[in-house]
Amino acid sequence: EDQVTQSPEALRLQEGESSSLNCSYTVSGLRGLFWYRQDPGKGPEFLFTLYSAGEEKEKERLKATLTKKESFLHITAPKPEDSATYLCAVQSSASKIIFGSGTRLSIRP
Amino acid sequence: GAGVSQSPSNKVTEKGKDVELRCDPISGHTALYWYRQSLGQGLEFLIYFQGNSAPDKSGLPSDRFSAERTGGSVSTLTIQRTQQEDSAVYLCASSLVAAGGGETQYFGPGTRLLVL
Repeated sequence: EDQVTQSPEALRLQEGESSSLNCSYTVSGLRGLFWYRQDPGKGPEFLFTLYSAGEEKEKERLKATLTKKESFLHITAPKPEDSATYLCAVQSSASKIIFGSGTRLSIRP
Repeated sequence: GAGVSQSPSNKVTEKGKDVELRCDPISGHTALYWYRQSLGQGLEFLIYFQGNSAPDKSGLPSDRFSAERTGGSVSTLTIQRTQQEDSAVYLCASSLVAAGGGETQYFGPGTRLLVL
């Protein structure tokens, strides 16, 4: 069964304290793994798409990496405005898209 | 506008009433999705439209839920005889389908439904 698990559920960091969010997945034929950011009261905002193991993508303080079993979203020297819920999703070869339950990230000034 | 739009942004209704939620996808996007998100939870897949193909309705929670997409563009999600457990944020997303590649979805702001 296709499944996506994100950890931790919540993470509180001090401004400037780097860390990583994890997305573990099992899927029949990976077409893509997606990272989204969601602010309270808003729809998810697209961050990255990763297609194959070994791939990495960066955007400002965020870097996403992918292996055959998991993806990490690394956040370097975060700022309070990086506080949000980060969602991971995978798309299977059958075109099903499954979301994880997200990691709530809070950055204290 | 260039993004996905949804209306209404908020809807309060009484138990047993029917509601219609609207989604206008990004122009040219062939795929359209509906999701439900309860407070503090992840996204629950409801239904998927792709071009002229029959929709994937496998996520609809009951026969009170239905959706249609007219002319390959605007979509309406209808909930009949609403129940309190239907209260949630209903999100719509659209994407371009890239052969062999992943479908990056672009989300609307959602409709917040409260059933009293």
